[in-house]
Amino acid sequence: EAGVAQSPRYKIIEKRQSVAFWCNPISGHATLYWYQQILGQGPKLLIQFQNNGVVDDSQLPKDRFSAERLKGVDSTLKIQPAKLEDSAVYLCASRPVSSYNEQFFGPGTRLTVL
Amino acid sequence: GNSVTQMEGPVTLSEEAFLTINCTYTATGYPSLFWYVQYPGEGLQLLLKATKADDKGSNKGFEATYRKETTSFHLEKGSVQVSDSAVYFCALSDKNAGNMLTFGGGTRLMVKP
Repeated sequence: EAGVAQSPRYKIIEKRQSVAFWCNPISGHATLYWYQQILGQGPKLLIQFQNNGVVDDSQLPKDRFSAERLKGVDSTLKIQPAKLEDSAVYLCASRPVSSYNEQFFGPGTRLTVL
Repeated sequence: GNSVTQMEGPVTLSEEAFLTINCTYTATGYPSLFWYVQYPGEGLQLLLKATKADDKGSNKGFEATYRKETTSFHLEKGSVQVSDSAVYFCALSDKNAGNMLTFGGGTRLMVKP
């Protein structure tokens, strides 16, 4: 079974530029999460989708971050414009309906904002 | 709100030493508890979990017991190997909050031969 796929793996941009990350969850997983992991810290949830609907986006800085999952499968996370403090690893995770708790994580996208 | 506190690292041990990484939590309900591991250059992997009080999760020689009375979920291994070198994250999942994971800050373990 293929795991959660993310791209790109690494991205370097200058502040005020825009960037987008892509996630393809495990096939059949209805729930998808985006987390931000700042160096030396644990991941922090940004947004949770159930199919193509948003369940929780209370931690998403909506003035600059946006995310969508239009067809209930792939998802994109966008930052526009980026700030220095957005430098982090962005993790995507998915969870099947049958597993009440376990989330499966992708390898992450490491973003560096200069 | 929910929170997880784990001991800061790095923890440096010699091969075959005993490992304990402390984890305590605060939660409003009855969460499930997890340990995730992050090897260098890789994504987070579930190491073990426990879904109710007194449950013991175990995997690859690691163990952790869900202690409701002390709100703890300490990770232990009797004999660590160099290949166990990684960052370990304690986390909780609250079904009343969409099963989102709340993570601790992570503990880096370095095992020397």
